[in-house]
Amino acid sequence: DAKTTQPPSMDCAEGRAANLPCNHSTISGNEYVYWYRQIHSQGPQYIIHGLKNNETNEMASLIITEDRKSSTLILPHATLRDTAVYYCIVRAHTGANSKLTFGKGITLSVRP
Amino acid sequence: GAVVSQHPSWVICKSGTSVKIECRSLDFQATTMFWYRQFPKQSLMLMATSNEGSKATYEQGVEKDKFLINHASLTLSTLTVTSAHPEDSSFYICSASPNGAGTQPQHFGDGTRLSIL
Repeated sequence: DAKTTQPPSMDCAEGRAANLPCNHSTISGNEYVYWYRQIHSQGPQYIIHGLKNNETNEMASLIITEDRKSSTLILPHATLRDTAVYYCIVRAHTGANSKLTFGKGITLSVRP
Repeated sequence: GAVVSQHPSWVICKSGTSVKIECRSLDFQATTMFWYRQFPKQSLMLMATSNEGSKATYEQGVEKDKFLINHASLTLSTLTVTSAHPEDSSFYICSASPNGAGTQPQHFGDGTRLSIL
């Protein structure tokens, strides 16, 4: 079972920031938070991951709370092409838990 | 960046046929690859973990004799759906990460859409 919970859907206006929440209250100390997205009929695309510090790359920013029980993925300037299902996943980097377990994700709809 | 390629992108075949799907890591070596299946409007479900040079590890409920996995090199894993039936119609996706399932994120292929008539 997935160890994360996400709202089923959200929308935002094009050009605005999209803030996607994720709860992972049972995360273990050795588990990272990963975000992937899946555009219709394609394979998932890696976005970003982090352990406890906030992370930023060319696609997004990841904000992890101090207690690590929740996180937020931020797309700073959403475009129509960002419409997709976004998956928040916790994953340890070694051992049997290194596989990815996908939940239902959150469907982001970016409106013009 | 790390690129994973799947072939074919889609396949339509008759019931009872066996279908082979290839997953290649194009610019890195992967000792471990993963195979997922996704039914319409559902999330990805892990089917098996493919290990180079050894037997694959299958998830509970996945028939190893029906879904044959071969990982003969560090850049290629194949999934063969044997005697496919309409209920096997699905979107099959593979993933891999450099250095196996270690410190690097997994990267996914674009998937293979399998339709069994």
